[in-house]
Amino acid sequence: DIQMTQSPSSLSASVGDRVTITCRASQSISSHLNWYQQKAGKAPKLVIYGASSLQGGVPSRFSGSGSGTDFTLTISSLQPEDFATYYCQQSYGTPRTFGQGTKVEIK
Amino acid sequence: QVQLQESGPGLVKPSETLSLTCTVSGGSISSYYWSWIRQPPGRGLEWIGYIYHSGTINYNPSLKSRVTISVDTSKNKFSLKLNSVTVADTAVYYCARGLAVGPGWFDPWGQGTLVTVSP
Repeated sequence: DIQMTQSPSSLSASVGDRVTITCRASQSISSHLNWYQQKAGKAPKLVIYGASSLQGGVPSRFSGSGSGTDFTLTISSLQPEDFATYYCQQSYGTPRTFGQGTKVEIK
Repeated sequence: QVQLQESGPGLVKPSETLSLTCTVSGGSISSYYWSWIRQPPGRGLEWIGYIYHSGTINYNPSLKSRVTISVDTSKNKFSLKLNSVTVADTAVYYCARGLAVGPGWFDPWGQGTLVTVSP
């Protein structure tokens, strides 16, 4: 299985801050990396697919980058509604696997 | 827009079979990869498997011996059966549409249903 490792596991930031979450794959996955946002008690919501493509309806303050083994999700100006846990997911190998999650808390 | 809704028992006894159904509305099930994903309380996400509209199936090897996913295109539904459950199978179970080849990414997801395995 391809292991996905996210860092940090949690972070606390202020409204307006730039936030970066990292996801590392245990082997090269090209650009087959997706990001999800999950709010408490809710289902995950697709934010970024194909490493850098913004899902429709997602604010442009979200962006993704990377290829190979190292990827980042960036929130350019953190908003109160961005309080959530973020997961990366690889779609290169089977089984599909997810990172352990990064919890973003608002200071 | 496509919406998914899980249904099934919320409590299953150890060694019995967990059975869930996902109803797809707002679009046809005759395309895409229809998937099941679960999340134990307070933990991360685990992909269980998918069924393609043509009937092609792929399961997570960690669950393959216990899982069956099927589709009923006439009712726009797909189902999950997990047998010989233990307390470790307690989780919120999500159904989701898989997009792109493989599938690539999952969107949308159902709201999820909590299944508790307990005597």
